[in-house]
Amino acid sequence: DAKTTQPPSMDCAEGRAANLPCNHSTISGNEYVYWYRQIHSQGPQYIIHGLKNNETNEMASLIITEDRKSSTLILPHATLRDTAVYYCIVRVPFRPGGQNFVFGPGTRLSVLP
Amino acid sequence: ETGVTQTPRHLVMGMTNKKSLKCEQHLGHNAMYWYKQSAKKPLELMFVYSLEERVENNSVPSRFSPECPNSSHLFLHLHTLQPEDSALYLCASSQEGYGNTIYFGEGSWLTVV
Repeated sequence: DAKTTQPPSMDCAEGRAANLPCNHSTISGNEYVYWYRQIHSQGPQYIIHGLKNNETNEMASLIITEDRKSSTLILPHATLRDTAVYYCIVRVPFRPGGQNFVFGPGTRLSVLP
Repeated sequence: ETGVTQTPRHLVMGMTNKKSLKCEQHLGHNAMYWYKQSAKKPLELMFVYSLEERVENNSVPSRFSPECPNSSHLFLHLHTLQPEDSALYLCASSQEGYGNTIYFGEGSWLTVV
């Protein structure tokens, strides 16, 4: 089972910041938080990931709380093309040195004109 | 644009047919994955290959048979499928190690008639 919980859906006005929350209260010290999105049943697209520090790239910012039990993905200026399902994933090791990605239902973000 | 290529993008097959899905990654990764996404459901992990060895098989029926001849190629052989196997099949790859990212292909849409 996925180790994260996300709201099932959110709306955001075009041009405004979209803030997508994720709870991962059982995260362990060496697990990373990843964010992906899936547009209209294409393959999921990597957005950003982090361990404990806040991260920023050309697509988004990731804010991780100090206790690492929750995080927020920020799309600073949402466009209609950002309408997608957003997945927050905590990396679940399945064997030493290896990893696994478990996807939950995600948050369906609708960017409105 | 993706470093993971899947073919065919669309496949229609009868229940008595044998077909294969192909995946090729151009990223130099050493782990490859098959996921299944049925309508309105989260992604389900099917198989994982690490260093060309199968390390995960999530109770997938034997009518799905994976093959990983080398670290760049992954196949999913399909035999006597059922209509409920109709779904989007996604291939992904990653480099083993904590903090590394998984990259997906665009998927193969399978319809079983």
